[in-house]
Amino acid sequence: GQSLEQPSEVTAVEGAIVQINCTYQTSGFYGLSWYQQHDGGAPTFLSYNALDGLEETGRFSSFLSRSDSYGYLLLQELQMKDSASYFCAVRTGANNLFFGTGTRLTVIP
Amino acid sequence: GAVVSQHPSWVICKSGTSVKIECRSLDFQATTMFWYRQFPKQSLMLMATSNEGSKATYEQGVEKDKFLINHASLTLSTLTVTSAHPEDSSFYICSARVPGPNEQFFGPGTRLTVL
Repeated sequence: GQSLEQPSEVTAVEGAIVQINCTYQTSGFYGLSWYQQHDGGAPTFLSYNALDGLEETGRFSSFLSRSDSYGYLLLQELQMKDSASYFCAVRTGANNLFFGTGTRLTVIP
Repeated sequence: GAVVSQHPSWVICKSGTSVKIECRSLDFQATTMFWYRQFPKQSLMLMATSNEGSKATYEQGVEKDKFLINHASLTLSTLTVTSAHPEDSSFYICSARVPGPNEQFFGPGTRLTVL
């Protein structure tokens, strides 16, 4: 079976840095993606890691360690608008994307 | 980026009726689309993979006779919830994979409420 685990909730202060971890156990692995979803909205793509290492896109960075079946999303210079749910997702095949349980991030002033 | 639309954005129906949800890729052709269901404060659960011109592939536990999927063209996939019941009330989201980049674009979702 597939399992992806993330913390259910994280709270951080505006301007701070927060890291959201994701551990996975899947049959097949092509890469790890991160999506952001605001309440009532659709998930939006943030990043994709196929190889080990850190990928940086503006304030957001994503890391992957395939040997540890682990990745994280790093959000810097937090803004109030970053309050949302963040999902890691593993691509297990050409057309298979399985989502983690989601982490609800609350940014406080 | 690629745009995926869904219609309707929300629907309320009576128990026992059928509801059709449309998913369109607006500026690209999608040979494969995906249908997800999301209950409040939970993750997205893949229901089925919709393939243009062929039968959909359903995930384990998803009733194919209840959730009818049709992918008649490269830009349109439909999900019909037949004989809807209150437990089918959920947020239904479609997505399409763009050839090349390893990402999926999601539609805005359809909130279904069955009374």
